[in-house]
Amino acid sequence: DVVMTQSPLSLPVTLGQPASISCRSSQSLVHSDGNTYLNWFQQRPGQSPRRLIYKVSNRDSGVPDRFSGSGSGTDFTLKISRVEAEDVGLYYCMQGTHWPRTFGQGTKVEIK
Amino acid sequence: EVQLVQSGAEVKKPGATVKISCKVSGYTFIDYYMHWVQQAPGKGLEWMGLVDPEDGETIYAEKFQGRVTITADTSTDTAYMELSSLRSEDTAVYYCATIPVTTGDYWGQGTLVTVSS
Repeated sequence: DVVMTQSPLSLPVTLGQPASISCRSSQSLVHSDGNTYLNWFQQRPGQSPRRLIYKVSNRDSGVPDRFSGSGSGTDFTLKISRVEAEDVGLYYCMQGTHWPRTFGQGTKVEIK
Repeated sequence: EVQLVQSGAEVKKPGATVKISCKVSGYTFIDYYMHWVQQAPGKGLEWMGLVDPEDGETIYAEKFQGRVTITADTSTDTAYMELSSLRSEDTAVYYCATIPVTTGDYWGQGTLVTVSS
């Protein structure tokens, strides 16, 4: 199985400041069709997860533009340009290239 | 409006079987795979498997292979996840979700399964 490794696992941030989460995969996530299926999910406290980013850098509908994704191959990053109070929660990367699908361990974003 | 509505919380004894339902509305059921994801208390998300509602084909994570059965009933637009030989480590919230390649994802509200003697 593809192992997804996130860092850091805990990320205290100041409101209005940027934040960055890294996700590394144990194998390349480039699919045979040429696409890279790397997703980012947010899970607010007490809520179901929701996807923020698909195929590395594409924002899902309704996702604020302060969220951005980048990367290639095995190294990926989720950035929040200016953290807001509503961004508190857990963030997961998930690969959709190989079977079985696998998630990272999660990164907890909290306000300092 | 797309909705995935899951069945209610369950309490089961070790060794028992639980079956959770996920009723969808607002989109064509057969258009998207239905995934199931486990989240143990205070833990992260773990992908369990999925079903293609169009033809019933399934893919399971090796960790759950042999104990999990995921099905789809196109007559009622409902997906099911059955987990057998329950043990305490299976105590978790279970989510159904559509996670398309490009369009928006949709998740159920989660179903808490508690395994306790």
